Amino acid sequence: QVQLVQSGAEVEKPGASVKVSCKASGYTFTSYYMNWVRQAPGQGLEWLGIIDPSGGGTSYAQKLQGRVTMTRDTSTSTVYVELTRLRSEDTAVYFCARQGLAADYWGQGTLVTVSS
Amino acid sequence: EIVLTQSPGTLSLSPGERATLSCRASQSVSNNFLAWYQQNPGQAPRLLIYGASSRATGVPERFSGSGSGTDFTLTITRLEPEDFAVYYCQQYGTSRDYTFGQGTKLEIK
Repeated sequence: QVQLVQSGAEVEKPGASVKVSCKASGYTFTSYYMNWVRQAPGQGLEWLGIIDPSGGGTSYAQKLQGRVTMTRDTSTSTVYVELTRLRSEDTAVYFCARQGLAADYWGQGTLVTVSS
Repeated sequence: EIVLTQSPGTLSLSPGERATLSCRASQSVSNNFLAWYQQNPGQAPRLLIYGASSRATGVPERFSGSGSGTDFTLTITRLEPEDFAVYYCQQYGTSRDYTFGQGTKLEIK
C-alpha cells in the first residue's frame, strides 16, 4: 500500500532554515510527482510546489521563490523541502502529497514552529 | 495565478440534508483539472473528486462533482455525521501552480 512518512516536528528560530523529509513506499517512486503543501494554524491549505522525482525538476509557488528548495534521493525514495530565512508566518504543518490523478496520497504532516 | 473562491464560507445543515458547495475560478481551469478534498481536524486532507467529476477510490456515491471552465460544484446528498468537515477545491491544470480555494466549513446545524 502507498505510504508517505514524514520526519518529525521542528522548532527553529527566525532567520534559520528547516528541511523536512517525506519517505515514499508502496509504489514506483519515480513515476509520480510529489507536491508540498502547508497549513498555518487555523488556516487553509497553501500549495508550495512540486518535484519530479525522476529528473528532479521543480516548480515553486511564486510567493516562496528564492526561499524554497525541493530535492529528492531516489536511492531512498525520499523527497525533501527546505525553507530558508524562516519567519513566524512560516509556522505551519507541512504535508507531502503524491500527484496521481490529483493529490491522492498524503503524508501525516510535519509541524514546523518558528519562534525566538 | 488562478484564484479559486469557495462559497459559502460556512454551511450549516442537518444530517440527511443535501449540501451544495461552490468553487469559482478567476480564469478557466485547464482540462477541468479541478479536485475536491475533505479535511477533518488534525488530519491530512483526503481526495474526494478529481477531474471535476470523477470520484476517487473508496469515496461514497453520495459525493459528486460537476462543472467546467470556471464554475464547479461539490454536492453531498443525504449528509452523514462523518461528512461534517472542511472542504477545499484545488486546480492543477495550470503551469504547475496548483492553487487551493480558501475552504468551506460544513457544520452541523
